[in-house]
Amino acid sequence: QQQVKQSPQSLIVQKGGIPIINCAYENTAFDYFPWYQQFPGKGPALLIAIRPDVSEKKEGRFTISFNKSAKQFSLHIMDSQPGDSATYFCAASPKAAGNKLTFGGGTRVLVKP
Amino acid sequence: DAGITQSPRYKITETGRQVTLMCHQTWSHSYMFWYRQDLGHGLRLIYYSAAADITDKGEVPDGYVVSRSKTENFPLTLESATRSQTSVYFCASSPERRGGRRNEQFFGPGTRLTVL
Repeated sequence: QQQVKQSPQSLIVQKGGIPIINCAYENTAFDYFPWYQQFPGKGPALLIAIRPDVSEKKEGRFTISFNKSAKQFSLHIMDSQPGDSATYFCAASPKAAGNKLTFGGGTRVLVKP
Repeated sequence: DAGITQSPRYKITETGRQVTLMCHQTWSHSYMFWYRQDLGHGLRLIYYSAAADITDKGEVPDGYVVSRSKTENFPLTLESATRSQTSVYFCASSPERRGGRRNEQFFGPGTRLTVL
C-alpha cells in the first residue's frame, strides 16, 4: 500500500517550461512534506519542504503548493533549465515518526535545451 | 572526509549467498536509514535506527538484517540473497530532532547490487 502517490512517472519539457509534479497522501497524521532531487548516479538530496500550515513555499525557481483539504501537494519548477533534469521524489512524515519519511514513486524530469 | 559513504559501490553476487553492504557517516547523526530504490517504487525503507543499538523495521524488511553497534556504522546484510533483491541501496543519516524541527536526511551515493 503506497501511502504517498506521485504522478506522473516521467515528464519532458522544453527549456523555460514549468514541469509540475503532483503527490497525494491519505494519512492525515502527515505534517511534514519534503521534496528530494536525485541526479543520475547520486543519492537524493533535500530540495525544499513545506508544512501544512502554509499553502505555498518558494525557494528560487522551485515552488511547493499545498492543499490540505484535498491532501495533495505539488512541485512546480519555474523557468526550467536542462540542469534541472533529475528524478524528483515527494515524501511525507508524521509528527511522531522521528525523522522517518515515506517517499512517493518518483518522477523523472527531462528538460530539453 | 566528512560525510556519508557506502561500500561497495557495485556488487554482483549469486542467489543464496550472504552479502553485507556497509554504511559509514562522520557526522555522529543519531538516525540512520536503509532504502532500496526500484523503478516505479521510489525509495522504500528497509530498516532504520534512532541510535546505537536501536533498530526498527521499515516497509520492506524481509530478507534483511541490520545492526548498529556504533553510531557511525549501519551495515545491511542480505542473509541469503534472492534475485528480487537486485536493486540500488541507499543509506541515509539524519541528526536528532530538536524542538519539533524536522531534520533532513543526507543520503550516501548508493550501492548497486545485482543478484544472479
